[in-house]
Amino acid sequence: EVQLEESGGGVVQPGGSLRLSCAASGFTFRSYWIHWVRQAPGKGLAWVSRINGDGSSTNYVDSVKGRFTISRDNAKETLYLHMSSLRAEDTAVYYCARERDYGPGEAFDIWGQGTMVTVSS
Amino acid sequence: DIQMTQSPSTLSASVGDRVTITCRASQSISRWLAWYQQKPGKAPKFLIYKASYLESGVPSRFSGSGFGTDFTLTISSLQPDDFATYYCQHYNSYSPAFGQGTKLEIK
Repeated sequence: EVQLEESGGGVVQPGGSLRLSCAASGFTFRSYWIHWVRQAPGKGLAWVSRINGDGSSTNYVDSVKGRFTISRDNAKETLYLHMSSLRAEDTAVYYCARERDYGPGEAFDIWGQGTMVTVSS
Repeated sequence: DIQMTQSPSTLSASVGDRVTITCRASQSISRWLAWYQQKPGKAPKFLIYKASYLESGVPSRFSGSGFGTDFTLTISSLQPDDFATYYCQHYNSYSPAFGQGTKLEIK
């Protein structure tokens, strides 16, 4: 079964750091672009970042540039999101999502279940 | 950046109704539009890509149309499982953008 499973969420103080993981299974992980999408409580979906199959190309939404870093370990079939200088407005459920059909520039066909990040003192 | 605007924000309907949700892009996006369904506490589910192509396994009562800036998602005969929030998304971009969502409620 094709799956993505996030982990690493939790409660962190403003200015703190956290690393999210997204473990893939059931498909050739290294062949796909993968994204992070977040959803603040009671709000809509918001794209955060993306990375290509070999990790050589990344993009970020302006609000996280310089604070978040997306990376991947294809040997471990795992995607990461390193988050630093966290702010209250980063509080959200974070989803990883796969682009269909090898990408780039495709819709997101597989989503993880999400992991909650709460930034609060 | 391209902005996506959905209407209405909330839609009340009954089982068996035909409903349409609209998504408008701030500039032309050709057919690079997807639709997702999300239920409370769950991850989004992929429904439609390239404006009108149904993902495998999605019921045929769902359909999409549009080109350029104006798009629609239509559910031909609402089923109880369809009450959820629906999001459009422009992809094929360095900064993919979602609409704000349309909550489909039971009347």
